Amino acid sequence: QIQLQQSGPGLVKPSQTLSLTCAISGDSVSSNSAAWNWIRQSPSRGLEWLGRTYYRSKWYDDYAVAVKSRITINPDTSKNQFSLQLSSVTPEDTAVYYCAKSVTVAGPFHLWGQGTLVTVSS
Amino acid sequence: DIQMTQSPSSLSASVGDRVTITCRASQSIYTYLNWYQQKPGKAPNLLIYAASSLQTGVPPRFSGSGSETDFTLTISSLQPEDFATYYCQQSFRTPVFGPGTKVDIK
Repeated sequence: QIQLQQSGPGLVKPSQTLSLTCAISGDSVSSNSAAWNWIRQSPSRGLEWLGRTYYRSKWYDDYAVAVKSRITINPDTSKNQFSLQLSSVTPEDTAVYYCAKSVTVAGPFHLWGQGTLVTVSS
Repeated sequence: DIQMTQSPSSLSASVGDRVTITCRASQSIYTYLNWYQQKPGKAPNLLIYAASSLQTGVPPRFSGSGSETDFTLTISSLQPEDFATYYCQQSFRTPVFGPGTKVDIK
């Protein structure tokens, strides 16, 4: 059974970097078909896709335009996980963050992590 | 980005009712349209993918239809566990979700 387990701090100070990790069990981050995504949800912005990483003989990533200058999603093959880093955070980045798997790059998000509430506050 | 709208934003219904939710895309997305159900405090759960394909394990009272810009999610006979918020999402270009439709008890 494939599972995604998120970890990371729930409180980040303004201007600092938000970092979350999504550990994969029952599948491989190096899968040649899947994509590994980060999505967030807040009352003001709704559900917002942030970006993805995927492996097709080499590593690729795609990011949402709204966060492209601040975001990095990295795979870690040694730990079979992937991470999210969002720099220069503001209170607007307060949200529940989810990792999610799609079977193909353009596929639906059919498996989600449990979610992590991240609050940006001093 | 392709914009997604949903209607209604909320609805009240009774157990056994037939419920229809509409999703519209700002340009053609062919059938790259997915539907999710979300309950409070939980991650969204995939119900329908590719506009009309039922995800494994989802009850057949859920169905999806549509193509190009106009799509529909139908619950044929609402059950107590179906009271939740429903989101559409296009996967034709950069993923975008609709704003959601909250289904509550009449």
